[in-house]
Amino acid sequence: NAGVTQTPKFRILKIGQSMTLQCTQDMNHNYMYWYRQDPGMGLKLIYYSVGAGITDKGEVPNGYNVSRSTTEDFPLRLELAAPSQTSVYFCASRLPVAGERNEQFFGPGTRLTVL
Amino acid sequence: GENVEQHPSTLSVQEGDSAVIKCTYSDSASNYFPWYKQELGKGPQLIIDIRSNVGEKKDQRIAVTLNKTAKHFSLHITETQPEDSAVYFCAASNRGTGRRALTFGSGTRLQVQP
Repeated sequence: NAGVTQTPKFRILKIGQSMTLQCTQDMNHNYMYWYRQDPGMGLKLIYYSVGAGITDKGEVPNGYNVSRSTTEDFPLRLELAAPSQTSVYFCASRLPVAGERNEQFFGPGTRLTVL
Repeated sequence: GENVEQHPSTLSVQEGDSAVIKCTYSDSASNYFPWYKQELGKGPQLIIDIRSNVGEKKDQRIAVTLNKTAKHFSLHITETQPEDSAVYFCAASNRGTGRRALTFGSGTRLQVQP
């Protein structure tokens, strides 16, 4: 299994541009998440999905949109990029069942700079 | 919502010494407390976790303790090695909620001096 993959690894955007950050997992996980990590800070939840066709807002959803048409893919869309969206974005996934471990598996991240 | 505070923000130890990182949480309904290790340029990776019905858990050189009454939990690394150098995050979640998302602390940069 490749686990959680994210593309691109790096991107520079101009203010007002739009882009989609891609996230794919091959572990058949129902739950998927998008976090952002600002320098020297912990991860903050942007959006999450508990299954195909179901998405919901996290702590910091403004300026972002998501969709979940398949179990594997959970893209994050930035419509009008702003400097405040400069950050490292992590996608994560996990199984829905309760059990001994509640582990979220993280992708390698996308480093986004908005100038 | 949940708020997780983590201390210290940086920690430097000599190889072979122990390292302790502490976190406090605010939501008494939180019942799952994982610790993640993040190496440079990579995503966080789970190293150990503890549920609220357990007070302590150990995995080789790593241990986590939980005090539900005081709402704090700690990571203990013994016999530190240079490869332990990384950023460590604590987190909390309520496994009874629908989203089961994690609220993270701000991270501790651990440097193990050889």
